Amino acid sequence: AQTVTQSQPEMSVQEAETVTLSCTYDTSENNYYLFWYKQPPSRQMILVIRQEAYKQQNATENRFSVNFQKAAKSFSLKISDSQLGDTAMYFCAFMKLGWAGNMLTFGGGTRLMVKP
Amino acid sequence: DSGVTQTPKHLITATGQRVTLRCSPRSGDLSVYWYQQSLDQGLQFLIQYYNGEERAKGNILERFSAQQFPDLHSELNLSSLELGDSALYFCASSVAITGNTEAFFGQGTRLTVV
Repeated sequence: AQTVTQSQPEMSVQEAETVTLSCTYDTSENNYYLFWYKQPPSRQMILVIRQEAYKQQNATENRFSVNFQKAAKSFSLKISDSQLGDTAMYFCAFMKLGWAGNMLTFGGGTRLMVKP
Repeated sequence: DSGVTQTPKHLITATGQRVTLRCSPRSGDLSVYWYQQSLDQGLQFLIQYYNGEERAKGNILERFSAQQFPDLHSELNLSSLELGDSALYFCASSVAITGNTEAFFGQGTRLTVV
């Protein structure tokens, strides 16, 4: 079974600054995907960024980027130029590939507060 | 708007009762997932259906059951409800079950058991 750990329950950052959220995972699989989801107060789960394990290049989506260290099983999210709208819960998630289902295993979440 | 519709948005019921949560996936999506988000257990995968058939099962209680109908909508049935079943229940859908398939989440059903 896979486990995902987010060691920072809460974080805060000043508007326009950069913040990094940590995530580690444990798996014996070699092929998988990793995700960061954002859950604002509206409760909607929104996909922020995705990383395929077979790709060495770190994924980037505008102000969001990841640092994927496969050997260390680490998958951190960097948010640059933080905006007030980035205030939300952030969940790291793991997805195993295969015909037996592709469900997500989530970490416990990090609550991010962006301060003006 | 993710295109995934869940009804109702809020539900308050008493212990021992039974409720049904409904999910309509995005047009064209064949796979439906149910997740439970509670304060003590976090976000947990419950069950997945693909084109009407159960594909994977997670930490779903025996009191809970689900199905996916021919029109691809899904229902999650929760019975003999307990206070601990109070949670946010998410439905998600995706096109397929392998490869680079993004899951789109509905806005959830907030269940409160009193």
